[in-house]
Amino acid sequence: EIVLTQSPATLSLSPGERATLSCRASQFIATSLAWYQQKPGQAPRLLIYDASNRATGIPARFSGSGSGTDFTLTISSLEPEDFAVYYCLQRHSWPQTFGQGTKVEIK
Amino acid sequence: EVQLVETGGGLIQPGGSLRLSCAASGFTVSSNYMSWVRQAPGKGLEWVSIIYNDGTTYYTDSVKGRFTISRDNSKNTLNLQMNSLRAQDTAMYYCARWTGMVYDHWGQGTLVTVSS
Repeated sequence: EIVLTQSPATLSLSPGERATLSCRASQFIATSLAWYQQKPGQAPRLLIYDASNRATGIPARFSGSGSGTDFTLTISSLEPEDFAVYYCLQRHSWPQTFGQGTKVEIK
Repeated sequence: EVQLVETGGGLIQPGGSLRLSCAASGFTVSSNYMSWVRQAPGKGLEWVSIIYNDGTTYYTDSVKGRFTISRDNSKNTLNLQMNSLRAQDTAMYYCARWTGMVYDHWGQGTLVTVSS
């Protein structure tokens, strides 16, 4: 089973700042990685697929990069609605696995 | 518009059984890959089970032999029969549509609490 390790566990930032979230895979996964956002009491929402493609309706301030084992989600300038928990998900190898999440909180 | 609505959660004693359902609208369940994903309180997401459009099913190791995923094509619903429930199964259970690349639609979840 592929383990995804997200860092940091918590990111404390102010609105307008840049957020950089990391997801590292325990094995090669090419670009078979997606990012999801989850707010309290809500289901996850797809942000990025195949490492760098924004899903429909996702603002341009969200971007993804990486391949192989190291991936990054960047939020260029945090809006108040971006404070949430972010998860990565790999589909390269069965079973699909999620990272443990990074919480982006207001500083 | 695609919509998924889960029902069937609740408080159940260890060793008990529960059946979750997920009613879909805006698409046909039997033509898609459908999964159950769970989230223990305050924890991350965990894939539980998937059913392919051809009926093939897979389960995470911790629920094999205890959970059964199925479809009711006449009702356009996805089901999860959960037997021999354990405290570790306590979680919010989400149904989600898997495109082969991503989960593109999720329900709002149904909470299962296993406790005496």
